[in-house]
This record gives sequence, structure tokens and C-alpha cells, in this order.
Amino acid sequence: NAGVTQTPKFRVLKTGQSMTLLCAQDMNHEYMYWYRQDPGMGLRLIHYSVGEGTTAKGEVPDGYNVSRLKKQNFLLGLESAAPSQTSVYFCASSRTGTSYNEQFFGPGTRLTVL
Amino acid sequence: AQSVTQLGSHVSVSEGALVLLRCNYSSSVPPYLFWYVQYPNQGLQLLLKYTTGATLVKGINGFEAEFKKSETSFHLTKPSAHMSDAAEYFCAVSDTGAGSYQLTFGKGTKLSVIP
Repeated sequence: NAGVTQTPKFRVLKTGQSMTLLCAQDMNHEYMYWYRQDPGMGLRLIHYSVGEGTTAKGEVPDGYNVSRLKKQNFLLGLESAAPSQTSVYFCASSRTGTSYNEQFFGPGTRLTVL
Repeated sequence: AQSVTQLGSHVSVSEGALVLLRCNYSSSVPPYLFWYVQYPNQGLQLLLKYTTGATLVKGINGFEAEFKKSETSFHLTKPSAHMSDAAEYFCAVSDTGAGSYQLTFGKGTKLSVIP
């Protein structure tokens, strides 16, 4: 099992460019999440999905869009990147929606927007 | 809304010394509680969690945490620090109600271990 994988690992964008981050999990988890991590801020939830074809906004959704066309994949899109979106992005998944279930995290994508 | 406070963004201990990382939460109802560890340039992995039952929870790598309802705390401890414990540690909470599955994270505590 690869667990949760993220593509790419690193990316540099110019302001206004667009990109898509891909998250894939092979654990057959229903729930998937996108977080961003900034120094001194902990992890903040961007968007999440409770199943294939569903998405919902988290704490900091502005400037991002997501799609969950397949159960195993969760895509995070930046339509017009801004320097404020420079961050490390983590994807996570969990087996069910019960809150005591562990979230499994990917290795992260480090994004720099110039 | 849930909130989590981790006291101390950086903690330094000597190798072999006690590790104590503090976490307090605010909630009207005791939540589920988690500690995650993040090694440099890696994702987060679960150290331990409290859901119900025994308030002293043992996790991986010799860590344990005690849920104290009266103090709204869930501090993480390890009797003897090892160099390999150097990492960032995050406390997280979750509501216990039906349909609750989001985690609220603290801002993290970076642990340094001095040889």
C-alpha cells in the first residue's frame, strides 16, 4: 500500500498562473481533505470531501477549487495563483466520517508563488 | 467552535530528559483528542488518540498523554527524550457528535533534543 500520495512534491508558479495538485489514496477511504500549513499557523482545512462527487468548504477555501470525480482521487486547483498561496499543502484521508478515525496524511506539496 | 492551544512554539530538552508538550482545548463537551508528529519534510502521522475510556493513553515511540477534563488538557509526555524525537508535534481535537469528522489543529510545538 502506498497510502496517500501527492503530486507534485515541489512547484514554483508565477502570480496569475494556474495549477492542479493531485492527491491519491489506495485505502478505499470515503473522506478526503486538503490542508495548508504555514509557519506558526498549524494546519488549516481548505476543502474536504465526504465521498465521490461531493465537496465542501473548509476554513480557508478562497482562491481554491476541488473535485472528487473518483473515490481514490482528490484534486486541488488554483485558478490564479497569488503569493499568499505560497505554502505547504497536505492531503489526508480517513476511513469513515466518524471523528475518532485517524486521518492519514500525504507527504506534502511545497508551492511557491512568485 | 473548537480551539486548541499549544503552549510554547519551541521546546528544547536534553537527550534523556523528560519531554512535556502542553495542549489545552476549549469545548463545552469533551472532544476526541489527538497528537500528531511531523518529521522534517514529511507528512503528519498519528502518535496517539483519546476517544473514550482510560484517560491515560499510550502511543508509539514511548509517548503517552493524559486527558484531564477538569483542566481541559491533553499534555504529551515521554520519560526520556531521544535524538530521533526531534520533530514538530501537533495537538488536534474533533467534535464527538454524529457527522463530526473535521480536526482542528493547534499551531504546533517544535521539539529540539540537545545531545
